Amino acid sequence: NAGVTQTPKFRILKIGQSMTLQCTQDMNHNYMYWYRQDPGMGLKLIYYSVGAGITDKGEVPNGYNVSRSTTEDFPLRLELAAPSQTSVYFCASSFLTGRNQPQHFGDGTRLSIL
Amino acid sequence: AQKVTQAQTEISVVEKEDVTLDCVYETRDTTYYLFWYKQPPSGELVFLIRRNSFDEQNEISGRYSWNFQKSTSSFNFTITASQVVDSAVYFCALFNAGNNRKLIWGLGTSLAVNP
Repeated sequence: NAGVTQTPKFRILKIGQSMTLQCTQDMNHNYMYWYRQDPGMGLKLIYYSVGAGITDKGEVPNGYNVSRSTTEDFPLRLELAAPSQTSVYFCASSFLTGRNQPQHFGDGTRLSIL
Repeated sequence: AQKVTQAQTEISVVEKEDVTLDCVYETRDTTYYLFWYKQPPSGELVFLIRRNSFDEQNEISGRYSWNFQKSTSSFNFTITASQVVDSAVYFCALFNAGNNRKLIWGLGTSLAVNP
């Protein structure tokens, strides 16, 4: 099992560019999440999904979009990159509601917008 | 409202000292779950423990122990005989049924264990 895999690990974007952060999990988890972590801060939820075809906004969704066409994949898209989106992005997954299951995290994507 | 407070922003200890990281939570739900995660300097997030609101029994795992007290809404984490490898940011998180299946995260406590 690879667990939760995020690509790329690092990326530098220019203001206004777009990109997609990939996230895939092989644990058959139905719940998936995207967080951002700003320097010295905790995690903030961007979007989450309770299953294929279902997504919902988290705490800081503006400037991002997601899709969940399969159980395994949960890509996060930045349409018009802004310096405020410079952060480390974590994808996570969990089984069922997450009540009895921890969230498993990917290794993160470090994104810089210049 | 649901909230997790980790009042200690940074802690610095010398190796072999015991250290306790505090976590205080707020929730109106009677059924909830509490988590601790570790984030070492390499950046990944590592799950440490999960505890549900009906189980107040303290837990020990090697040098790690957790003290869950509903009366004070606290879920504190103690590292005994700390080691340099324990240096990391530690996050406490809360999950409850009325929270749309989202974890509420504390801001983390940065622990530095010096040789």
